[in-house]
Amino acid sequence: GQQVMQIPQYQHVQEGEDFTTYCNSSTTLSNIQWYKQRPGGHPVFLIQLVKSGEVKKQKRLTFQFGEAKKNSSLHITATQTTDVGTYFCAEGGSQGNLIFGKGTKLSVKP
Amino acid sequence: ETGVTQSPTHLIKTRGQQVTLRCSSQSGHNTVSWYQQALGQGPQFIFQYYREEENGRGNFPPRFSGLQFPNYSSELNVNALELDDSALYLCASSSRVAGANVLTFGAGSRLTVL
Repeated sequence: GQQVMQIPQYQHVQEGEDFTTYCNSSTTLSNIQWYKQRPGGHPVFLIQLVKSGEVKKQKRLTFQFGEAKKNSSLHITATQTTDVGTYFCAEGGSQGNLIFGKGTKLSVKP
Repeated sequence: ETGVTQSPTHLIKTRGQQVTLRCSSQSGHNTVSWYQQALGQGPQFIFQYYREEENGRGNFPPRFSGLQFPNYSSELNVNALELDDSALYLCASSSRVAGANVLTFGAGSRLTVL
């Protein structure tokens, strides 16, 4: 069935270092969404990518959708302690639902 | 514009009991879905309601049931609770963006089953 795989599962960085998480699928995705969940919080929508090769930026965050629409990445430049949390990618399911990856948990050491 | 609100925020039950969780969806959103998030995992789709009818369901047994009311609020009911039902239960309302459902989650109800 549909499934998105995220790597790495955990990432520990020093404040100021960059961070990247990857999302891979064995099937072509119609779109991919990214969510952030702070510790003890709930997932919050960050962005949606729809077009092949699409790149979107939100301040220090850069999101990419692969040319074949089978992978996506989220890159954070110069991490800050406020970036701490778990980042999930999600693909659209057949019932209007979202199928979430297991997430990448980011910790930032000040 | 109000967000998605859920109640209760935390609750503890014992095996075999029943629980009802409640959700008020974001103003203007007529689709509500429920997700279960176990510790360290991504949210898993339980079911979705549109115009008071279930119109999508994930791989959850029938003891997970729900309702949607005319004001678009919703309930999730779980019967015969099991230890593995311990999780964060997230309600989400949907908005359509570029043909896809974008979810706005509530803060969740954290259920512990002892």
